[in-house]
Amino acid sequence: KAGVTQTPRYLIKTRGQQVTLSCSPISGHRSVSWYQQTPGQGLQFLFEYFSETQRNKGNFPGRFSGRQFSNSRSEMNVSTLELGDSALYLCASSLEPREKLFFGSGTQLSVL
Amino acid sequence: AQKVTQAQTEISVVEKEDVTLDCVYETRDTTYYLFWYKQPPSGELVFLIRRNSFDEQNEISGRYSWNFQKSTSSFNFTITASQVVDSAVYFCALSESDYKLSFGAGTTVTVRA
Repeated sequence: KAGVTQTPRYLIKTRGQQVTLSCSPISGHRSVSWYQQTPGQGLQFLFEYFSETQRNKGNFPGRFSGRQFSNSRSEMNVSTLELGDSALYLCASSLEPREKLFFGSGTQLSVL
Repeated sequence: AQKVTQAQTEISVVEKEDVTLDCVYETRDTTYYLFWYKQPPSGELVFLIRRNSFDEQNEISGRYSWNFQKSTSSFNFTITASQVVDSAVYFCALSESDYKLSFGAGTTVTVRA
């Protein structure tokens, strides 16, 4: 069974641009969540989707948004990038909420 | 307020030594789940164990064991007979009723040959 796939693996952007990250969950998993990892703040929850519905959002500005499609694939978008958005963005999927999460390898975003 | 506290920032041991990682959590929920994840240098978080708040039975799985004590809100994790491949950052996490994981800051474990 294929694991959680995140694309792209690395991304370099400049301030003010926007970016879209993609996540394909494990087949059959309906819950997809996103986390931001930085050396200073650690792992922080961004949002969680289940059957195309966002059920919870972390404490991030409105520039961070996401969506989930009917095939459970998910995207997250960050508009008007800031230097502080440089981070590893991790996507995770699970069969049901609160089951063990399976994480992808992440997208390393660098904002210059 | 930090919901999950991992007081140990770094631990360095020699191969075959045991390593115990401390985790203290804070929640008002009566039903919650606790996890341990490992993050090797490759970056992918790897699931290790999951316990629910109603099951305080401590278990051993291979070289891994855990000690869950509700009375002290602690969920400690032990690696027995450590190996170099165990070198990684270990995260304790809490799942409450809000569909998210709250992670601790992580403990970097270095196992020297």
